[in-house]
Amino acid sequence: DTGVSQNPRHKITKRGQNVTFRCDPISEHNRLYWYRQTLGQGPEFLTYFQNEAQLEKSRLLSDRFSAERPKGSFSTLEIQRTEQGDSAMYLCASSWTENTEAFFGQGTRLTVV
Amino acid sequence: QKEVEQNSGPLSVPEGAIASLNCTYSDRVSQSFFWYRQYSGKSPELIMSIYSNGDKEDGRFTAQLNKASQYVSLLIRDSQPSDSATYLCAVSLNFGNEKLTFGTGTRLTIIP
Repeated sequence: DTGVSQNPRHKITKRGQNVTFRCDPISEHNRLYWYRQTLGQGPEFLTYFQNEAQLEKSRLLSDRFSAERPKGSFSTLEIQRTEQGDSAMYLCASSWTENTEAFFGQGTRLTVV
Repeated sequence: QKEVEQNSGPLSVPEGAIASLNCTYSDRVSQSFFWYRQYSGKSPELIMSIYSNGDKEDGRFTAQLNKASQYVSLLIRDSQPSDSATYLCAVSLNFGNEKLTFGTGTRLTIIP
């Protein structure tokens, strides 16, 4: 299967702990996006990479959040000092320059207790 | 005003009928429009994209775009129980900016 892959699928963590999620995009896709979705809402944009360059970061993203895509392939999203309000589904999507259609991975569901 | 607006539903449609889902957007320079289907607890699945005014058909799905009215719709013909899901409308500026702005989604239930 060459779809977008996210790990882990579920993560339960205690408030104050750090968590890291991984996204492997579709292999030929050079664009990668992170979104967050809470219950009853549509996905909300967090950040966007083209190859290894982080081109945009949402103003809603606090300093506790950081994302990397070091070799222009997989990406990681880290949340430091997690808070209960961080509980959400974190979605990764990828696309390629010649086509604006973005495809989502299965998501990582984070629960902060 | 929300950037992308959808009726949250629920919208109930008898099996075999046409389901009509609507979306309006506020940014006039928006260029790309997408419909995603999301089953409960799952991630969004792309079902249609549309870029030009008019209709675009793919199987039982038809997307309609009217840029003058800033309006996008999705028609599902011969609705099936498996079409029961939340349908998300998404918009992008598409000038080197591919991020999507989503509506809150419309929950569709197909009644057997």
